Amino acid sequence: SYDLTQPPSVSVSPGQTARITCSGNLLSKEYVHWYQQKSGQVPLLIIYKDTERPSGVPERFSGSSSGTTVTLAISGVLAEDEGDYYCLSTDSSGSHQVFGGGTRLTVL
Amino acid sequence: EVQLVESGGGVVKPGGSLRVSCAASGFTFRKAWLNWVRQAPGKGLEWVGRIKTETDSGTTDYAAPVTGRFTISRDDSKNILYLQMDSLKSDDTAVYFCATEGLGSQGAFDYWGQGTLVTVSS
Repeated sequence: SYDLTQPPSVSVSPGQTARITCSGNLLSKEYVHWYQQKSGQVPLLIIYKDTERPSGVPERFSGSSSGTTVTLAISGVLAEDEGDYYCLSTDSSGSHQVFGGGTRLTVL
Repeated sequence: EVQLVESGGGVVKPGGSLRVSCAASGFTFRKAWLNWVRQAPGKGLEWVGRIKTETDSGTTDYAAPVTGRFTISRDDSKNILYLQMDSLKSDDTAVYFCATEGLGSQGAFDYWGQGTLVTVSS
């Protein structure tokens, strides 16, 4: 089975930049989408197709891609950005979707 | 406004069956690819499966842990998505979400329901 690897946790102070990575051997060919899930809430799409931001998502959220690693960056982190972040991509067949294990962002 | 409302969750014994539903509104249902995603208590998101449109042959795909036990279907006349779960195991205990795919964001699960809790326990 295909796996996407994320760090379990990232901690930053308010105002700093948080970077969350997602690694997988197909990511140079397949898009990654990012979700934010705050405690007790439904996942929210914050980045799609590696770098695109849906309307309504603050500009401090951005995505980038380099080889087999995709990165979600949150600049000027706010306390409200605390939560879990998941990447999503597809396997080589295009028929199966895969989530990364999730990263817990803590704002110190 | 896109709305997805899941229902049908509950408590079921191991080996039992349950069908959950997702009622949709606010978009052209028959043109949407639809997914089920689950989240076990305190755990991460897990993709369960997807159904494509009738135009795309209504193809269904499933994650390995549920293949052969779960069946996804859709009723385009009622705008309802279904997940039939058979031979349930304790590991299937989770909140089950339905999600649209690519309505406004290519390939991404862009709209989600609030989820319905399925508990498999004796």
